[in-house]
Amino acid sequence: AQSVTQPDIHITVSEGASLELRCNYSYGATPYLFWYVQSPGQGLQLLLKYFSGDTLVQGIKGFEAEFKRSQSSFNLRKPSVHWSDAAEYFCAVGAPYKYIFGTGTRLKVLA
Amino acid sequence: DTGVSQDPRHKITKRGQNVTFRCDPISEHNRLYWYRQTLGQGPEFLTYFQNEAQLEKSRLLSDRFSAERPKGSFSTLEIQRTEQGDSAMYLCASSSGTSGGEKETQYFGPGTRLLVL
Repeated sequence: AQSVTQPDIHITVSEGASLELRCNYSYGATPYLFWYVQSPGQGLQLLLKYFSGDTLVQGIKGFEAEFKRSQSSFNLRKPSVHWSDAAEYFCAVGAPYKYIFGTGTRLKVLA
Repeated sequence: DTGVSQDPRHKITKRGQNVTFRCDPISEHNRLYWYRQTLGQGPEFLTYFQNEAQLEKSRLLSDRFSAERPKGSFSTLEIQRTEQGDSAMYLCASSSGTSGGEKETQYFGPGTRLLVL
């Protein structure tokens, strides 16, 4: 079955600390992978995407993600978190004409 | 590029009433998607249009739900005889439709939050 798992429901980090959000997928074909961010009451903003090629992809706001086929993972990282990064983060895999999303990870940033 | 817009942003209704939401996609995008997001969950696919044709519907889309995209531009999502379980955020997205679907970037609107009392 096609699915995306985000094992961490909540993560709290201090401002300036590094961040890694985990994402594991199950998909039978070549995965096309996305990370979105959602601020409270808002829609989803694309952070980055992976289609092919270099397995380390750079996105907006200083985020990057690494695709590891052997681990079926696409983890999101940021070296130094800012207070404005507090939001909910969703990983998704592209299926024909739809996305399959994980349940999200809510990030809290401590000053 | 004005992005995807949705109207209204918030809707409160009583159980049994009908509601209609509108989505205006990015102007050159020919694919349009509706998703539903309940509290604590990721968005779940409801339906998809290519131009004016509705090509796929999720089994989540019961017969009380209907979506249209009459001229291949804006879309409406109507819920008839609303139930408390319909309370959710309804998200619209659009894409340019230049590839096979899996690798398209979907751009999301701000959503319509529905509360059914």
